[in-house]
Amino acid sequence: GDSVTQMEGPVTLSEEAFLTINCTYTATGYPSLFWYVQYPGEGLQLLLKATKADDKGSNKGFEATYRKETTSFHLEKGSVQVSDSAVYFCALRGGGGADGLTFGKGTHLIIQP
Amino acid sequence: GAVVSQHPSRVICKSGTSVKIECRSLDFQATTMFWYRQFPKKSLMLMATSNEGSKATYEQGVEKDKFLINHASLTLSTLTVTSAHPEDSSFYICSASGGTPLGQPQHFGDGTRLSIL
Repeated sequence: GDSVTQMEGPVTLSEEAFLTINCTYTATGYPSLFWYVQYPGEGLQLLLKATKADDKGSNKGFEATYRKETTSFHLEKGSVQVSDSAVYFCALRGGGGADGLTFGKGTHLIIQP
Repeated sequence: GAVVSQHPSRVICKSGTSVKIECRSLDFQATTMFWYRQFPKKSLMLMATSNEGSKATYEQGVEKDKFLINHASLTLSTLTVTSAHPEDSSFYICSASGGTPLGQPQHFGDGTRLSIL
């Protein structure tokens, strides 16, 4: 079945540092890929998505590129802020488009001032 | 943006009680709703998928008689945890997806923390 593997945290960085959270997946067909963010005490919010190979999703300074050859969708941000502290989930949805999401375990990101 | 409301946000009740959780899409028609369970320091696990007007499809290992799902309208789905026991304590999250085009992002509720004493 489908699966998502992402680096486990917590990841602790200083403000303005460069961020990479790795995510790799296994899936049949051509999945859509997502990054969701969960801020403390809040629900999941869609951060960005990519629906086909080589697509780049971006939002709020975060980027991730759908790499089919390496089955990866790494999340990056050039300069993190304290307000980026949250749990980040990589997820995929199967090629049918109407399926539930398969999530990674989440990466807890802590940004220190 | 799309809003999904989940209620209640927290429930504490005695073992043997049945608990109903509501998930509403406030500004769009959700043809498909999903129910997830999140264990501490674990990922979200899909429990079931429900389409308006039809029976829910449960993931392997999820007891459909324990977790009753109803999706009676395009804006409301409910999850009822029947005769809840301490092992059912968890964080339950719903999400909703509009129908067309296929593959619309899922919008999540804020979750319900269920604690069974």
